[in-house]
Amino acid sequence: EIVLTQSPGTLSLSPGERATLSCRASQSFSSIYLAWYQQKPGQAPRLLIYGASSRATGIPDRFSGSGSGTDFTLTISRLEPEDFAVYYCQQYGTSLPYTFGQGTKLEIK
Amino acid sequence: EMQLLESGGGLVQPGGSLRLSCAASGFTFSNYAMSWVRQAPGKGLEWVSTISGSAYSTYNADSVKGRFTISRDNSKNTLYLQVNSLRAEDTAVYYCAKHRMGGLHDAFDFWGQGTMVTVSS
Repeated sequence: EIVLTQSPGTLSLSPGERATLSCRASQSFSSIYLAWYQQKPGQAPRLLIYGASSRATGIPDRFSGSGSGTDFTLTISRLEPEDFAVYYCQQYGTSLPYTFGQGTKLEIK
Repeated sequence: EMQLLESGGGLVQPGGSLRLSCAASGFTFSNYAMSWVRQAPGKGLEWVSTISGSAYSTYNADSVKGRFTISRDNSKNTLYLQVNSLRAEDTAVYYCAKHRMGGLHDAFDFWGQGTMVTVSS
């Protein structure tokens, strides 16, 4: 099983600042199988990034993803008030089970 | 407009059963693999089960193998999760999710709002 570890657990920033979220895997896998999701309280998750770096439909370009192998990053270039939420990475590759990271909570400082 | 509407959750005693449903609309359901993902109260996301568009292939997390069964009826555009031998640790919101391009190994690009399952005596 590929274990995904996200850091930090909580990130406190102000609107307008840049956010950098990390997702580290216990073993290497193809970046085409890495996604990022955003979840707000009481809502279902929303796909932001797939294939490590491709933005999903309707996602603003302030969200970007990068990385390969075991290290992946989600960057939000300039935080908007609506970006404060919990973010999860996920691997959905051929090595089952699909797994999620434990989440990073992005909170307003 | 794409929609996924889950139903069938509720309060059930340990050892009990439920059948969760996910009614899909707004896309060609049979072309897409689908998954169930759950989230225990205050916790993160946990993948549960996946089924291919044709229903030929199914996968389950080890934590639910032998107890949960994923299925689909493409004539009714509906996904199911039969959950048996329920335990307290199965208490969670259960989401159905559509795979982005239809393949098994793909991101989940659309999610329902979830149905709550509570296992308690």
